[in-house]
Amino acid sequence: GQQLNQSPQSMFIQEGEDVSMNCTSSSIFNTWLWYKQDPGEGPVLLIALYKAGELTSNGRLTAQFGITRKDSFLNISASIPSDVGIYFCAGQLRSQGNLIFGKGTKLSVKP
Amino acid sequence: DGGITQSPKYLFRKEGQNVTLSCEQNLNHDAMYWYRQDPGQGLRLIYYSQIVNDFQKGDIAEGYSVSREKKESFPLTVTSAQKNPTAFYLCASSMVTEAQDTQYFGPGTRLTVL
Repeated sequence: GQQLNQSPQSMFIQEGEDVSMNCTSSSIFNTWLWYKQDPGEGPVLLIALYKAGELTSNGRLTAQFGITRKDSFLNISASIPSDVGIYFCAGQLRSQGNLIFGKGTKLSVKP
Repeated sequence: DGGITQSPKYLFRKEGQNVTLSCEQNLNHDAMYWYRQDPGQGLRLIYYSQIVNDFQKGDIAEGYSVSREKKESFPLTVTSAQKNPTAFYLCASSMVTEAQDTQYFGPGTRLTVL
């Protein structure tokens, strides 16, 4: 099945730094979602995007739906230790109801 | 509380045995999904159902079976035909509308084949 290209694969940053990650696809999506997963737990929805060009914030998190509908990014400002985890992007194709997931970005934060 | 529950959290099975993973939701969502997660990989879709008594195969359905007799429940059976069943299994649910299809996940079941 099709997968999204999510980068970077992993990040090691200092507490207080900003973080940026992105996903790209060769296909057009009509929905982009960003999830965070802690070890041994299910993914938790962070931000949902439904319109091209849409920029949405959730606290220190900001995500954008690319204007071409083929990409999205997630920024985390002023990172803290509890931001540690794996972040997944997911897109929904126009013709299907199920989501396509990226392979995740593993974030490590040094206090 | 509203949400998605999966049980058990950890499951051990002997090779050659079938095992059923439970998924229940009280969100009144129409659609339910099963994903498999392996280390270093994203989530891969096993089966999904958008309405009671109907379901479709995902990308990796071989060796799995499901049923959707009730809106709230979508159990997954891992059969002995699944060659590499050890993995983390995630259930999700969503409303199905033209504008939105946001999926919410349960806490997962870790299956280990001994």
